Amino acid sequence: EAEVAQSPRYKITEKSQAVAFWCDPISGHATLYWYRQILGQGPELLVQFQDESVVDDSQLPKDRFSAERLKGVDSTLKIQPAELGDSAMYLCASSLDQGRTEAFFGQGTRLTVV
Amino acid sequence: AQSVTQPDIHITVSEGASLELRCNYSYGATPYLFWYVQSPGQGLQLLLKYFSGDTLVQGIKGFEAEFKRSQSSFNLRKPSVHWSDAAEYFCAVVPSGGYQKVTFGTGTKLQVIP
Repeated sequence: EAEVAQSPRYKITEKSQAVAFWCDPISGHATLYWYRQILGQGPELLVQFQDESVVDDSQLPKDRFSAERLKGVDSTLKIQPAELGDSAMYLCASSLDQGRTEAFFGQGTRLTVV
Repeated sequence: AQSVTQPDIHITVSEGASLELRCNYSYGATPYLFWYVQSPGQGLQLLLKYFSGDTLVQGIKGFEAEFKRSQSSFNLRKPSVHWSDAAEYFCAVVPSGGYQKVTFGTGTKLQVIP
């Protein structure tokens, strides 16, 4: 069964360091999402791609976060510099198209900033 | 403002007992509605979804949900809970028109006791 792949599963980094997460969506899925989930809360959308274009990055802290999906397939989310408050689970999801189609989630990257 | 609310943060039920998890939304028009489940340290898995038509929706793992337009609710139910159902459950909504951004509720953590 096709899955959304994310790496690494766990990451510990010191504050002010740079960190990057990678996501490989299900083949053929045009829409890719990055979510941040703080412990005890629901996922919050950081950025949404339709193919290689950003559709929504209104909640992305652009002074330190960046995301790209250069060829419309896999994607990278970067944080530089990391802050203590960035500790969270970062989830990637993909869907065939926007909105009413089911989103499939990866297992996430648990980030701890120390 | 558009919102989705899950009023119960934690729910504890005995194995074999029935379950109902509440979800209320505030949108101008009937949105698309989803329920996801998340096991500890894992990504989210879709349980069921509602777009239109029959207001009682059947999902995986024996779950069902009922859409009630008059109450702006989409409650999740299961007649007999199994210990393996212990997890966190998220209601999600997508506006049915225009840009379709998914908004998640804050989640309900389900504990199952023997």
